[in-house]
Amino acid sequence: AQKVTQAQTEISVVEKEDVTLDCVYETRDTTYYLFWYKQPPSGELVFLIRRNSFDEQNEISGRYSWNFQKSTSSFNFTITASQVVDSAVYFCALSEARDMRFGAGTRLTVKP
Amino acid sequence: NAGVMQNPRHLVRRRGQEARLRCSPMKGHSHVYWYRQLPEEGLKFMVYLQKENIIDESGMPKERFSAEFPKEGPSILRIQQVVRGDSAAYFCASSPPWVGETQYFGPGTRLLVL
Repeated sequence: AQKVTQAQTEISVVEKEDVTLDCVYETRDTTYYLFWYKQPPSGELVFLIRRNSFDEQNEISGRYSWNFQKSTSSFNFTITASQVVDSAVYFCALSEARDMRFGAGTRLTVKP
Repeated sequence: NAGVMQNPRHLVRRRGQEARLRCSPMKGHSHVYWYRQLPEEGLKFMVYLQKENIIDESGMPKERFSAEFPKEGPSILRIQQVVRGDSAAYFCASSPPWVGETQYFGPGTRLLVL
């Protein structure tokens, strides 16, 4: 069965610090998809990134970067120079077919 | 291109009443998913539907919960005889028909059972 573990339940940093959110997944499939979503205090879910299992290239989008390593079954998310607006709960998710399994989320608080 | 729409955004019900949650997918999306988020928890998959078909309801409680996605109109998640434990945020997502496509989420319906 597929499973996603986000071991960090809460992280608190001061503005401008870099922060990495960990995500470890389990799957028996060779084809799968990984996602990160952001849930700000307003409650909606914002899609951040999708990665398929055949693409291990790291990705950078502005202050956000993702490190996908199949050898360790990890898909970590780094925010560089964090800002107060980054405060949210961040969810990692895994999809093998249709249904998506979410980790428990990491609550990030960025203090000014 | 309008996003996924859910209504109502907030719903208050007394124990024993019925709750009906509606979801309209993004234009061009034929697949709808429902998730439940309990307070301070992650999202739990409930059900996945195509038009007029339930594809996977493995995450749906066996009693009181049902879902449909008719040929015309929104997808409906129906909870009969609600109990306090049903209080949660219910999110709908939609995606194109291909496997592994990104699911885009609606704003959620916050259900409060008194």
